[in-house]
Amino acid sequence: DIQMTQSPSSLSASVGDRVTITCQASQDISKYLNWYQQKAGKAPTLLIYDASNLKTGVPSRFSGSGSGTDFTLTISSLQPEDFATYYCQQYDHLPLTFGGGTKVEIK
Amino acid sequence: EVQLVESGGGLVQPGRSLRLSCAASGFTFTDYAMHWVRQAPGKGLEWVSGITWNSGSIHYADSVKGRFAISRDNVRNSLYLQMNSLRAEDTALYYCAKGRYGAWSGFDFWGQGSLVTVSS
Repeated sequence: DIQMTQSPSSLSASVGDRVTITCQASQDISKYLNWYQQKAGKAPTLLIYDASNLKTGVPSRFSGSGSGTDFTLTISSLQPEDFATYYCQQYDHLPLTFGGGTKVEIK
Repeated sequence: EVQLVESGGGLVQPGRSLRLSCAASGFTFTDYAMHWVRQAPGKGLEWVSGITWNSGSIHYADSVKGRFAISRDNVRNSLYLQMNSLRAEDTALYYCAKGRYGAWSGFDFWGQGSLVTVSS
């Protein structure tokens, strides 16, 4: 199975900060990576697909980059509604696997 | 508007069975693969199983293979998960999720989940 490692597992940031979350795959997955946001007590929602494509309706302050084994989710200016847990997920090989999550908390 | 509504969860003893259902609406059900993803209390996300639009391809996580069975009814726009020989480690919130394009490219909409608790 492909292992997905996210870092950090949690971070504290202030409104307006630039936030970067990384995700590393245990083998080359090309661009086959999604990012999800999960707010407390809610279902996850898709933010970014194919490593860098923003889902329709997602604010442009979110961006994704990377290919191969190393990927990044960036929030350019953190907003109050962005405090949540973020997960990466690969779909290059079955089983589909997720990273362990990064919890973004208010500083 | 896409809607996925799970049902069938509850408290069950170890070794017993439970069947989850997911009612889908707001999209052409037969155009998409469907999946089950679970989340143990306070933990991360784990893909459980997926099924293509015509049930022609089905896959499972190793953790549930041989115990769980996914199925769909394209007339009723419904997805199912039959869970047998349940274990304490199967305790989780089970989400029904709509596949993106293709069968195995992730999930673009999720239901609110159905809680399964396995305990004596």
